[in-house]
Amino acid sequence: GNSVTQMEGPVTLSEEAFLTINCTYTATGYPSLFWYVQYPGEGLQLLLKATKADDKGSNKGFEATYRKETTSFHLEKGSVQVSDSAVYFCALIRNYGQNFVFGPGTRLSVLP
Amino acid sequence: EAGVTQFPSHSVIEKGQTVTLRCDPISGHDNLYWYRRVMGKEIKFLLHFVKESKQDESGMPNNRFLAERTGGTYSTLKVQPAELEDSGVYFCASSRKGLAGVNEQFFGPGTRLTVL
Repeated sequence: GNSVTQMEGPVTLSEEAFLTINCTYTATGYPSLFWYVQYPGEGLQLLLKATKADDKGSNKGFEATYRKETTSFHLEKGSVQVSDSAVYFCALIRNYGQNFVFGPGTRLSVLP
Repeated sequence: EAGVTQFPSHSVIEKGQTVTLRCDPISGHDNLYWYRRVMGKEIKFLLHFVKESKQDESGMPNNRFLAERTGGTYSTLKVQPAELEDSGVYFCASSRKGLAGVNEQFFGPGTRLTVL
């Protein structure tokens, strides 16, 4: 079946540090890949997405590249801010209208 | 445009009681999804409505869970009777129909359910 694996958290970084959150997936066919973020007290928000191999999704300084050869979609940011503290979920979706398959989430805390 | 809303934001009930969660999708969104995150684990799919019809309910854990979407607008998810393992955060999401490719699902803030 389809599944998503993320690095275990929590991850604690100092402001301006480099961030990587690893994500790998298992899926048949060619899924679309996503990163969602949940800030404290809020719902899930789409952070970025990539719909085919070698695509790079980017938003708010975050980037992730769809790597089919390694079945990965690692999230990176060059310089994190305190406001980036949140839970980050990697997810995939097989086809239009179908449901998401999520990873377990990685909690990020950024200290000033 | 209002986003997806969920009510209540938090519910605390005792084992054996009944709880009903409500989700109001974005106006005009035909697709409505329920997900839940139990014990800090991954967010898992429960079911998917297209308008008032259940398109996929393969993620519903057992017959204690009943979802409805009368009239194709808001949806309710009833848990009866609630068990301890039902505690978690229940998310609702909605999306439009008829778009090419993968369309975005917009998520609500979730309802945190605590069963004592």
